[in-house]
Amino acid sequence: RKEVEQDPGPFNVPEGATVAFNCTYSNSASQSFFWYRQDCRKEPKLLMSVYSSGNEDGRFTAQLNRASQYISLLIRDSKLSDSATYLCVVNGVAGNMLTFGGGTRLMVKP
Amino acid sequence: AAGVIQSPRHLIKEKRETATLKCYPIPRHDTVYWYQQGPGQDPQFLISFYEKMQSDKGSIPDRFSAQQFSDYHSELNMSSLELGDSALYFCASSFRHQYGQGVREQYFGPGTRLTVT
Repeated sequence: RKEVEQDPGPFNVPEGATVAFNCTYSNSASQSFFWYRQDCRKEPKLLMSVYSSGNEDGRFTAQLNRASQYISLLIRDSKLSDSATYLCVVNGVAGNMLTFGGGTRLMVKP
Repeated sequence: AAGVIQSPRHLIKEKRETATLKCYPIPRHDTVYWYQQGPGQDPQFLISFYEKMQSDKGSIPDRFSAQQFSDYHSELNMSSLELGDSALYFCASSFRHQYGQGVREQYFGPGTRLTVT
């Protein structure tokens, strides 16, 4: 079982739609959680950190459920430019390494 | 704002050759990380440095070595290259969190695309 698991998608949605991605992680000791987006053949770019209280940044909302070891990302009013792969990222068992989920691919259509 | 700089952006080498990748972290960041991303795969952590000392070690082959210099830039040295080493190599930088307190946000450079023929 992978340490961080995501539905690979692709999610095909029309512009303006709301879409939600889910992620589960196996290490209950993990303390840091992030969502990154990655465009084809480019570097991962930090979208947002995920806090226990949940946090929102514009059209993006992230939630963390430590009891269920579950992280979510909600994107409202999808734009064409949101088309990318969204990576759920968790810190490893020890130290500062990051463990990436397999990514969920989003395609927003006109 | 200044970002992580990596050089070269593209590199083509033959089997058994050596390669050196360079990374210049965001100014004032004290920790550098190296990741390898093969085709269709997730980024895999290789190694990290904090204040010029090796901090954590991941799935880095023995043929690879890395160091961080006094100006905080880092170099990844790869020897006896194999076809399977063809990948995108990302460097990331961050401020370091107190050990055991999780990790701070890591910011990635544009990567070096290594092709081994």
